[in-house]
Amino acid sequence: ETGVTQSPTHLIKTRGQQVTLRCSSQSGHNTVSWYQQALGQGPQFIFQYYREEENGRGNFPPRFSGLQFPNYSSELNVNALELDDSALYLCASSRDNWDTEAFFGQGTRLTVV
Amino acid sequence: AQSVTQLGSHVSVSEGALVLLRCNYSSSVPPYLFWYVQYPNQGLQLLLKYTSAATLVKGINGFEAEFKKSETSFHLTKPSAHMSDAAEYFCAVSDRGDYKLSFGAGTTVTVRA
Repeated sequence: ETGVTQSPTHLIKTRGQQVTLRCSSQSGHNTVSWYQQALGQGPQFIFQYYREEENGRGNFPPRFSGLQFPNYSSELNVNALELDDSALYLCASSRDNWDTEAFFGQGTRLTVV
Repeated sequence: AQSVTQLGSHVSVSEGALVLLRCNYSSSVPPYLFWYVQYPNQGLQLLLKYTSAATLVKGINGFEAEFKKSETSFHLTKPSAHMSDAAEYFCAVSDRGDYKLSFGAGTTVTVRA
């Protein structure tokens, strides 16, 4: 069984640029959630995708957007990067949108300079 | 919205000593509760979860947690610390029927030889 994988593992971008982060969900999982973890803090929910549709969103501006593909992999896109977007971005997959158990990837460390 | 408070951002224990990490939640309705562990440069791994079955929940690596409704608490314990327990621990909560996890700020555990 393949776990949740994220790419890239590290990324450096300049303020104002755009970035795309990728996540492959665990085999058999159709739900993907994205979290932002700033340094020294707990993860914060960005949004969830279920069967290719956004299924809920946290308190993040519209420049944070996402996609889910037919194979249930997912992308997180962030436009007009700000310094405060520097964080570890975590992807989590679950078997279904009602499932309480989420499996996390190792994260993508984004640094905005 | 549900929230959790983790008391103590850092805990230092001797190898072989009791590990106790505190978590309190804010809700009048018992939610689902989780403990996750994060090792350096890695994603989150689920240690255990409470979803309304037994109030004493046993997890991986010898950890357990007890749900106490009267105290709105879900403290994590391990009788005997091992060097490999050095990591950051997060308590998380979700409403019943909700998919979004709300995390505490985390507690960093160091284990002294």
